[in-house]
Amino acid sequence: QTVVTQEPSFSVSPGGTVTLTCGLNSGSVSTSYYPSWYQQTPGQAPRTLIYNTDTRSSGVPDRFSGSIVGNKAALTITGAQADDESDYYCVVYLVAGGIWVFGGGTKLTVL
Amino acid sequence: EVQLVESGGGLVQPGGSLRLSCAASGFSFSSFWMTWARQAPGKGLQWVATIQEAGSAKFLVDSVKGRFTISKDNAKNSLYLQMNGLRAEDTAIYYCARVRNCNGACWHFDYWGQGTLVTVSS
Repeated sequence: QTVVTQEPSFSVSPGGTVTLTCGLNSGSVSTSYYPSWYQQTPGQAPRTLIYNTDTRSSGVPDRFSGSIVGNKAALTITGAQADDESDYYCVVYLVAGGIWVFGGGTKLTVL
Repeated sequence: EVQLVESGGGLVQPGGSLRLSCAASGFSFSSFWMTWARQAPGKGLQWVATIQEAGSAKFLVDSVKGRFTISKDNAKNSLYLQMNGLRAEDTAIYYCARVRNCNGACWHFDYWGQGTLVTVSS
């Protein structure tokens, strides 16, 4: 069974930089898994931030960026703002089986 | 403007059934794969099911196989999730989302509905 791992929580100071990661229990996350990232605030639907590893969705500020770091997908927020305080989820797509797997999410605190 | 509006949630007893609907507008519904995802109270997101644009291919998470069915009616611009044999662990907000695949070059969910709450309890 494929399990996607994320840090349960992370903290960043306003104006600081933070990198959230997305790993796989079965190996490395590569671009062939089409990793994408979603932001969700309490009571709201998810919002798409990054897809195809590093492509920002329309309207997403350029302080959000995606990459592969080592064997994991990564979401970096540069110059964090108070309203970046949210839950962040990564998803990988397993093309062969036609299934998606969400990570458990990272709760980001900005303080 | 792309809009996805879910409906059909509610309270149901264990073992019961519900049919969720997702009304789509603002895009060519017949040209897109669609997905259902869910979020249990206080928990993370979980992918549930995806259907190809013409409805010929369907994919479901193992925990709902044999109980849930995903379908879409392109003439009505609607996505459905028929849920049978509901269990307490199916309690969640159910979201529909549009899949963007860029002809196989990108795979992600680009638009989401606001969700509908399903509660399975006696």
